[in-house]
Amino acid sequence: EAQVTQNPRYLITVTGKKLTVTCSQNMNHEYMSWYRQDPGLGLRQIYYSMNVEVTDKGDVPEGYKVSRKEKRNFPLILESPSPNQTSLYFCASSSRAQGELFFGEGSRLTVL
Amino acid sequence: GQNIDQPTEMTATEGAIVQINCTYQTSGFNGLFWYQQHAGEAPTFLSYNVLDGLEEKGRFSSFLSRSKGYSYLLLKELQMKDSASYLCAVRAAGNKLTFGGGTRVLVKP
Repeated sequence: EAQVTQNPRYLITVTGKKLTVTCSQNMNHEYMSWYRQDPGLGLRQIYYSMNVEVTDKGDVPEGYKVSRKEKRNFPLILESPSPNQTSLYFCASSSRAQGELFFGEGSRLTVL
Repeated sequence: GQNIDQPTEMTATEGAIVQINCTYQTSGFNGLFWYQQHAGEAPTFLSYNVLDGLEEKGRFSSFLSRSKGYSYLLLKELQMKDSASYLCAVRAAGNKLTFGGGTRVLVKP
């Protein structure tokens, strides 16, 4: 089954404790991206990747890092999480930059 | 930068038609998407417009006017399962995709 898989789905952590949210897609998509969704603000792009080893900042990259060492994986790294990073995170992929996005199920992160 | 506006909430009756408008300002235009998002779930793709005009897909249609920076999503023969948020997203030059805040549609019996 074609899908985008994120882990963990739910996480409660404390300020400053590094964490990684993994994202994997099995559709051989070149384009992958991360979004956060907050009430009243909609989906905001954090980082995106056009292909392996190619990443770019989205609208809200501060406090996040990404890497794209393999085509299928695009992990989101929070080196030192803070409470303002409490949010619902979505990973998405597409066969090309202009194509429709396929979203993962979301990861709800709470930073205390 | 980009600016995308859509209404926050709309209510309609089962079987009726609802039109969700989206206006945008962008530097360079590379296409407009509509996504549906049920509460607690991930967004799913509905439609894509890059040229002016109407795209019809079953009960859902999407319209684009590039000169006016305007799109709408038309939902016909509303069903209870259409209660969801509808997200307008614009792709600008450089392939950056920006979402609007979403329109929550409530379908009443």
